[in-house]
Amino acid sequence: QKEVEQDPGPLSVPEGAIVSLNCTYSNSAFQYFMWYRQYSRKGPELLMYTYSSGNKEDGRFTAQVDKSSKYISLFIRDSQPSDSATYLCAMSADGQNFVFGPGTRLSVLP
Amino acid sequence: GAVVSQHPSRVICKSGTSVKIECRSLDFQATTMFWYRQFPKQSLMLMATSNEGSKATYEQGVEKDKFLINHASLTLSTLTVTSAHPEDSSFYICSAQGDLGGETQYFGPGTRLLVL
Repeated sequence: QKEVEQDPGPLSVPEGAIVSLNCTYSNSAFQYFMWYRQYSRKGPELLMYTYSSGNKEDGRFTAQVDKSSKYISLFIRDSQPSDSATYLCAMSADGQNFVFGPGTRLSVLP
Repeated sequence: GAVVSQHPSRVICKSGTSVKIECRSLDFQATTMFWYRQFPKQSLMLMATSNEGSKATYEQGVEKDKFLINHASLTLSTLTVTSAHPEDSSFYICSAQGDLGGETQYFGPGTRLLVL
């Protein structure tokens, strides 16, 4: 079993839809959780950062962490074509050594 | 926000030559820098972690004599691919973690290496 699992997609949604992106993990020691967005041929950019459990909201983005289920989610409301990218989850036990998921390719259709 | 630059953005070289990639944190001090490799449609693979002023820690399977990492200052780390071969062609991305607080890694834009 991989340490971090993520559906690679591609996931296609119409503009304006609510997008749900998810990662599952096996290491119960993980407590730092990140979501990155990566456009084609670009470096990843940080979207959301959550420590331990709970929800965090930033504009159209909401990150959720459920440590009991070892499951994290990123929700995108009112999705836009500019949201089309690969979304990577990353997590760490110590805040330095992060394990990345394989990424989910999202396509938002106008 | 924190900015990390990488240079060059793209490089094409002949097999057997060495290529140096620079990673700079422009507006913060990076106590730790990470080097990743990314294959098409795959996630980031951590190659090594470097702390300023000390030797890099390489991940299992990464040849330290082939991928030389130098983190000489709090704003600069370099990755040198020595005697590059076509199988080294890839997208190399650095990230930096530092005095902005917390565990956030800020990524550079990446360097695409093509070895002919």
